[in-house]
Amino acid sequence: QQQVKQSPQSLIVQKGGISIINCAYENTAFDYFPWYQQFPGKGPALLIAIRPDVSEKKEGRFTISFNKSAKQFSLHIMDSQPGDSATYFCAASNNSPGNTPLVFGKGTRLSVIA
Amino acid sequence: SQTIHQWPATLVQPVGSPLSLECTVEGTSNPNLYWYRQAAGRGLQLLFYSVGIGQISSEVPQNLSASRPQDRQFILSSKKLLLSDSGFYLCAWSGDSTEAFFGQGTRLTVV
Repeated sequence: QQQVKQSPQSLIVQKGGISIINCAYENTAFDYFPWYQQFPGKGPALLIAIRPDVSEKKEGRFTISFNKSAKQFSLHIMDSQPGDSATYFCAASNNSPGNTPLVFGKGTRLSVIA
Repeated sequence: SQTIHQWPATLVQPVGSPLSLECTVEGTSNPNLYWYRQAAGRGLQLLFYSVGIGQISSEVPQNLSASRPQDRQFILSSKKLLLSDSGFYLCAWSGDSTEAFFGQGTRLTVV
């Protein structure tokens, strides 16, 4: 499996602050980059995803920034709330041709404190 | 709408005992199916994936095996569990789109 490197491993943010999680990949064939959110004892759920034809995608308080030349992408959570406290995973896959399984980063445990 | 069912939610098994975890998907046909294992601090590790009945790709050689006896059924098995098999096992499916949908997971503790 090609590796996806995620950092930081854990993150503590004040309520209302910005949470930033970074990922880097090696395989230039990757063309789909999702972020998953996981609460304790639950399966991961898709939060937001981006393809390399755009440099940024925003959905509510969540934004993905994508830098194709640097092979990096990041998740920004604006106005972070205690309910955002969860583990976040970045992932990548190659969909041309066919769908290859997602390769996941090791996860970031986010704690938003009041 | 599509749903994925995974059971049991928790399982405690002695070392050397067999294992069978089942996953079924409803509301779609010919899904890609996946088994992942999540260990603390190690992220989501792909164990097996299947693109069709009887077609299984193994990513990590180990004490586990997978089978797909029906289109929307995926089973993870072991003949003899090891302590190192403990973890959180997740089944997932994907269709024509790239999005993967996860089940709620099975917490396996081998004692």
